[in-house]
Amino acid sequence: DGGITQSPKYLFRKEGQNVTLSCEQNLNHDAMYWYRQDPGQGLRLIYYSQIVNDFQKGDIAEGYSVSREKKESFPLTVTSAQKNPTAFYLCASSARGRVGEKLFFGSGTQLSVL
Amino acid sequence: AQTVTQSQPEMSVQEAETVTLSCTYDTSESDYYLFWYKQPPSRQMILVIRQEAYKQQNATENRFSVNFQKAAKSFSLKISDSQLGDAAMYFCAYTRGYNNNDMRFGAGTRLTVKP
Repeated sequence: DGGITQSPKYLFRKEGQNVTLSCEQNLNHDAMYWYRQDPGQGLRLIYYSQIVNDFQKGDIAEGYSVSREKKESFPLTVTSAQKNPTAFYLCASSARGRVGEKLFFGSGTQLSVL
Repeated sequence: AQTVTQSQPEMSVQEAETVTLSCTYDTSESDYYLFWYKQPPSRQMILVIRQEAYKQQNATENRFSVNFQKAAKSFSLKISDSQLGDAAMYFCAYTRGYNNNDMRFGAGTRLTVKP
């Protein structure tokens, strides 16, 4: 079945450490997104990519980095510069160039600070 | 910037009854798209229903329907014959549409279904 796979499900970060969250999709979607979800808040966009080898900052990109070397993959690195990384992270994808297309989501990664 | 407001942090409904979740949004655009997403305890977001602003007819999907009031910028979700499996967080979302990088989400409403 087509879908989005995020790993790991739970991740712990030590002080000063960079960690990478994986996101893989087999939906043949061009566009991929990373969202952060905090309790009591809606999803906020971190980064997005409309095509391979291109990505753009979202509303809260500081302290995060991404790469898009393959259409299927869009990993997110939470760097040591992100001072409040504890949150639930969701990866999503959509078909590019289609108006009002819905997002498909992965099952998320819960990141906590040790 | 477009904003989406869900004024009900929590709602509860008796099984088999009907419940309405509220959503308002702010935009100066005339063409846009609205969504309701469900986030069950598994935390994977699932699309419930989608509305195109240029369509006057309210969208329906089985037991789920919306009341779209464009002039009032209101987009409420009605769940009929509520089931235990409907218990989840529900998020309202807005996008202008061509590329979803401008999608905005409300803070969510937690729905509890009582047996």
